Amino acid sequence: DAKTTQPPSMDCAEGRAANLPCNHSTISGNEYVYWYRQIHSQGPQYIIHGLKNNETNEMASLIITEDRKSSTLILPHATLRDTAVYYCIVRVGTSGTYKYIFGTGTRLKVLA
Amino acid sequence: EAQVTQNPRYLITVTGKKLTVTCSQNMNHEYMSWYRQDPGLGLRQIYYSMNVEVTDKGDVPEGYKVSRKEKRNFPLILESPSPNQTSLYFCASSSGRMNQPQHFGDGTRLSIL
Repeated sequence: DAKTTQPPSMDCAEGRAANLPCNHSTISGNEYVYWYRQIHSQGPQYIIHGLKNNETNEMASLIITEDRKSSTLILPHATLRDTAVYYCIVRVGTSGTYKYIFGTGTRLKVLA
Repeated sequence: EAQVTQNPRYLITVTGKKLTVTCSQNMNHEYMSWYRQDPGLGLRQIYYSMNVEVTDKGDVPEGYKVSRKEKRNFPLILESPSPNQTSLYFCASSSGRMNQPQHFGDGTRLSIL
């Protein structure tokens, strides 16, 4: 199964872009990459997902390398409320049956 | 409001006393799943269900049972809980379409003494 590897922690100054990397070198061609965040012990909150093209929504941008072995989540203007643990997740399987593999996440601290 | 509802939110119980954590979603989602979260280990999938009467093991299924008799409900059953099942549990659901994200409940914190 594909695994994800993330740095355990990062700091970012308020107002600056936060770039969170994820390595998923064993990912297969049809496996999506999802990003979630978790604030304290609340339920994880969906941010964005992609397969091979870069994606952008109102929360963030997702850059996936051409070989799909890694990706970067970009929060363009980090605020204090973005302080959370960010998880990069790979969905493995087929449309018939699939499951999700979570990494251990990156604890992002946004500094005033 | 679209949501995944777990009950109870908190439970302290003793070893061996059967318990059930309920999970219900109101989004007509086909896929439902249970995770446990432990310090330093992130979220690990316990069981998942692709649809009614279809369930499969995740990465850490030992000591747990599930059932999916109705589309909206996916209870997690601990027949004989043990202290190593003390954890924070999350239920999640998503539509059956290939790439749709999961929606998570607020979590259930179980302490087994």
